Amino acid sequence: SQQGEEDPQALSIQEGENATMNCSYKTSINNLQWYRQNSGRGLVHLILIRSNEREKHSGRLRVTLDTSKKSSSLLITASRAADTASYFCATAGAAGNKLTFGGGTRVLVKP
Amino acid sequence: EAGVVQSPRYKIIEKKQPVAFWCNPISGHNTLYWYRQNLGQGPELLIRYENEEAVDDSQLPKDRFSAERLKGVDSTLKIQPAELGDSAVYLCASSLEPTTYEQYFGPGTRLTVT
Repeated sequence: SQQGEEDPQALSIQEGENATMNCSYKTSINNLQWYRQNSGRGLVHLILIRSNEREKHSGRLRVTLDTSKKSSSLLITASRAADTASYFCATAGAAGNKLTFGGGTRVLVKP
Repeated sequence: EAGVVQSPRYKIIEKKQPVAFWCNPISGHNTLYWYRQNLGQGPELLIRYENEEAVDDSQLPKDRFSAERLKGVDSTLKIQPAELGDSAVYLCASSLEPTTYEQYFGPGTRLTVT
């Protein structure tokens, strides 16, 4: 079973545009993490936001967390062709001992 | 610093045959994970190790899957016998501590069972 559900499942944008994807989850969390997976490769950690944080930035990435709505969003600004990948949210349970991934959002950035 | 190493990268076997995957985590990482990722889906945890101890294997199909982490470093995941539904990418990851920290993933082993 997968805790997080990403929306949309797929996203196609032009280079330079912003990309926004959302993640909803069901149970209390310790933290929420976003990962990127390029075709045929392993996952790469992008950013971690703790349950007591509301917003976090890393380069062109901005993550928000709303624990009252059990949702998070990932914004990629000024997208590049190299941002083409699948993006997964993953929640660590309240005990912090298990990471559960969502189904991912497939992002295509067209040059 | 070397990343998580997995081998083989690809494996094609016939059903009912055994198969094994090997993982070498990042040096100093005590926690090791095995995930299975089906096509178009997110990874699902199979087993988590803290040093040599399997602390979460609730999702491991124990009738045909087994894993070990001798000496708390390298790990091997085995399937015997393989079934068609086992076709997937098997990912190994490691972290300094349990999931309050980021996990570092290997490139995975793509298994095809024919």
